[in-house]
Amino acid sequence: GENVEQHPSTLSVQEGDSAVIKCTYSDSASNYFPWYKQELGKRPQLIIDIRSNVGEKKDQRIAVTLNKTAKHFSLHITETQPEDSAVYFCAATYEGGKLIFGQGTELSVKP
Amino acid sequence: NAGVTQTPKFQVLKTGQSMTLQCAQDMNHNSMYWYRQDPGMGLRLIYYSASEGTTDKGEVPNGYNVSRLNKREFSLRLESAAPSQTSVYFCASLAGYTDTQYFGPGTRLTVL
Repeated sequence: GENVEQHPSTLSVQEGDSAVIKCTYSDSASNYFPWYKQELGKRPQLIIDIRSNVGEKKDQRIAVTLNKTAKHFSLHITETQPEDSAVYFCAATYEGGKLIFGQGTELSVKP
Repeated sequence: NAGVTQTPKFQVLKTGQSMTLQCAQDMNHNSMYWYRQDPGMGLRLIYYSASEGTTDKGEVPNGYNVSRLNKREFSLRLESAAPSQTSVYFCASLAGYTDTQYFGPGTRLTVL
């Protein structure tokens, strides 16, 4: 089936610490795995993505890793700041270009 | 370039009423999607349209219908609204050359 599991559902860190969010996907996922950030009352915005021919991708303080064998991928945020507080969603692409999302992680960065 | 637009922003319906949520994109994307977002449930795909003239069911299609009016517009219809359809509805379109989905601002729907 088409399924993406995301953990944890909530994450609280101190400013400056790192945050890690993990997702697993079911067999039939295609080769594209994006991460979205959603601030309260706003639409989801793409922050980083990775394709299955790449193991890791970095963009300043955020990075994503992909383990195809284990069917999981993770988001890493370093040197967290209060403005990183939001809900983060992982997703995987399935047949027809469908994006199936994880359940979301509410990240709280305490100053 | 407005991106993805949705109307209305807010709507309150009574049980049994019908309504259509409108979505339009001006990025010349082929594929468009409708999601609903409920607390703790993430974004769930209702219906999608891979190209003009085609539509397919997603994860939670029951109680909804869609129309891909043309390449720009993709509407979602609730024929007989139920309280379980209270949610925030997002439309998205897909940039095929990057696989990135761009979301509209959302419609907050309450069914009493």
